[in-house]
Amino acid sequence: DQQVKQNSPSLSVQEGRISILNCDYTNSMFDYFLWYKKYPAEGPTFLISISSIKDKNEDGRFTVFLNKSAKHLSLHIVPSQPGDSAVYFCAAPTQGGSEKLVFGKGTKLTVNP
Amino acid sequence: NAGVMQNPRHLVRRRGQEARLRCSPMKGHSHVYWYRQLPEEGLKFMVYLQKENIIDESGMPKERFSAEFPKEGPSILRIQQVVRGDSAAYFCASSPLARGRRETQYFGPGTRLLVL
Repeated sequence: DQQVKQNSPSLSVQEGRISILNCDYTNSMFDYFLWYKKYPAEGPTFLISISSIKDKNEDGRFTVFLNKSAKHLSLHIVPSQPGDSAVYFCAAPTQGGSEKLVFGKGTKLTVNP
Repeated sequence: NAGVMQNPRHLVRRRGQEARLRCSPMKGHSHVYWYRQLPEEGLKFMVYLQKENIIDESGMPKERFSAEFPKEGPSILRIQQVVRGDSAAYFCASSPLARGRRETQYFGPGTRLLVL
């Protein structure tokens, strides 16, 4: 039972254009979401987060949008750069004190020069 | 300011041997999480520890796997009698004590275990 879903395994965009990575979730109890970026042979790096009390959070070139009614969030990267090429994971902490993260399977972003 | 440290980065074991994976959390972090990533999959939670306590081990296989976070020293994930299906990347994450808000987990570089 996958509570966090990233349905696009890969995405390719041109340098300078916008990258939009999508994430859906099924657990309506999730109230906080994170995006991590991962390069090959490295650990995930925290990118940006959003609380369910907001519908948008922005940090430089990265913006995350949350649509609670649709149980959907998206990460926008603009302008995209070749160094953004990586696998992006959407994640949410569970309730109940553990705060363990539930991850999507990831989307591999390739930004072409 | 060192981040989360894991060693070894790569570990090769033959079936039946033991694997020990170490994780040193970021300075000031008292919470440690272990995750496993199989090929083409996302990360899956295994266990959550605080110093000298296992808080949540709901993601740990029932047999052969154990974890600890002693008062002194790194957290250890131990896999006894490894099998080929244990081959994966094992990531450790740490976070500070939550003080009324959500704390971000920061990940180490991982240990890539290969069982021959």
